[in-house]
Amino acid sequence: EVQLVESGGVVVQPGGSLRLSCAASGFTFADYTMHWVRQAPGKGLEWVSLISWDGGNTFYADSVKGRFTISRDNSKNSLYLQMTSLRTEDTALYHCAKDFDSSSFDAFDIWGQGTMVIVSS
Amino acid sequence: QSALTQPASVSGSPGQSITISCTGSTSDIGFYNYVSWYQHHPGKAPKLMIYDVTRRPSGVSNRFSGSKSGNTASLTISGLQADDEADYYCSSFTSGSTPAAFGGGTTLTVL
Repeated sequence: EVQLVESGGVVVQPGGSLRLSCAASGFTFADYTMHWVRQAPGKGLEWVSLISWDGGNTFYADSVKGRFTISRDNSKNSLYLQMTSLRTEDTALYHCAKDFDSSSFDAFDIWGQGTMVIVSS
Repeated sequence: QSALTQPASVSGSPGQSITISCTGSTSDIGFYNYVSWYQHHPGKAPKLMIYDVTRRPSGVSNRFSGSKSGNTASLTISGLQADDEADYYCSSFTSGSTPAAFGGGTTLTVL
């Protein structure tokens, strides 16, 4: 079964740091671009970041650029999001998502259920 | 503010057809054929319904179809069913430093 399972979401204070993880199974993880997409409470979906199949290309939304770092370990079928200088507006359900493509963006064909990050003092 | 513009809500009766629009620009929908649509039931993971403007993934009902004209993409759902009631999001590849954008989402109500 093709599956993505996120973990690492917690309550963290403003200015704090956090690392999210996403475990992939059921497909050849190393062949595809991967993404992080978030949804703040009561809001719509917001694309956060992508990483190409080999980690050679990474892109970020303007709202997280310079604060978040996406990475992957193809030997562990895992995707990560290192989040620093967290703000209250980063509070959201964070989904990892698989792309059809290997190097850029086409469409998100597989999604995880998400992990909740709450930034609050 | 989303880069892509969708109506906040649409509604229809069972059996009817509805269309959701998604308006972008020449930097995204108008230039690239990487438009996709997602169905999102609250509490569940979003589901891909249409990709590459018109293509349906395996297992998605042929009641769902996609199209594009100029800078506007559309999702049409025919033969509305109660289970179609959900939020729908469009997405497109965009030129520039941020390659992916979503619309603000459209809530579909089946009356």
